[in-house]
Amino acid sequence: GIQVEQSPPDLILQEGANSTLRCNFSDSVNNLQWFHQNPWGQLINLFYIPSGTKQNGRLSATTVATERYSLLYISSSQTTDSGVYFCAVWVDSSYKLIFGSGTRLLVRP
Amino acid sequence: GAVVSQHPSRVICKSGTSVKIECRSLDFQATTMFWYRQFPKQSLMLMATSNEGSKATYEQGVEKDKFLINHASLTLSTLTVTSAHPEDSSFYICSARGTGGKNIQYFGAGTRLSVL
Repeated sequence: GIQVEQSPPDLILQEGANSTLRCNFSDSVNNLQWFHQNPWGQLINLFYIPSGTKQNGRLSATTVATERYSLLYISSSQTTDSGVYFCAVWVDSSYKLIFGSGTRLLVRP
Repeated sequence: GAVVSQHPSRVICKSGTSVKIECRSLDFQATTMFWYRQFPKQSLMLMATSNEGSKATYEQGVEKDKFLINHASLTLSTLTVTSAHPEDSSFYICSARGTGGKNIQYFGAGTRLSVL
């Protein structure tokens, strides 16, 4: 089946710093979502981005489907950005959302 | 965005009892819902896909008699952990898939199950 790899696995930032999280996938996908899992476990939809670039406030994401990767940019990080960031890909033929292993982010004040 | 409600948020039970978890799509109809399990510091693992009005499809290695899934309506799916044991302790998360257009998946807040 399709493999989804995220890097880095762990990231520690000082408040105000910028960061880039990467998601690689091993085969063609029909869509891709980025999530933030907060300390209470809730998964929050950040982006639905099968291709192209989107921005939402301090966050933006880019997916290059032909090269099978997606990037999540966090600018001017805040302590509330801490948590785990997951990318997940959907393949119509398997009808399931496959998650990467996540990037655990800690933003220090 | 769409809202998926999951209850209870936390349950503690004795070994051997059964626990039911509810997942509701509040403002949209979901023909398909998904149940995931997450162990500490790990990713989400799909357990089963629940389709309204039909039997659930379980992933390899997931015991269908242990994890009973019912999807009786377009807005409600339930997961029952039968005869729970300590090894069933985990974080269970449901998800509902929107219809038409983007087909984005929305997630409930999760249920933390502790079996004593």
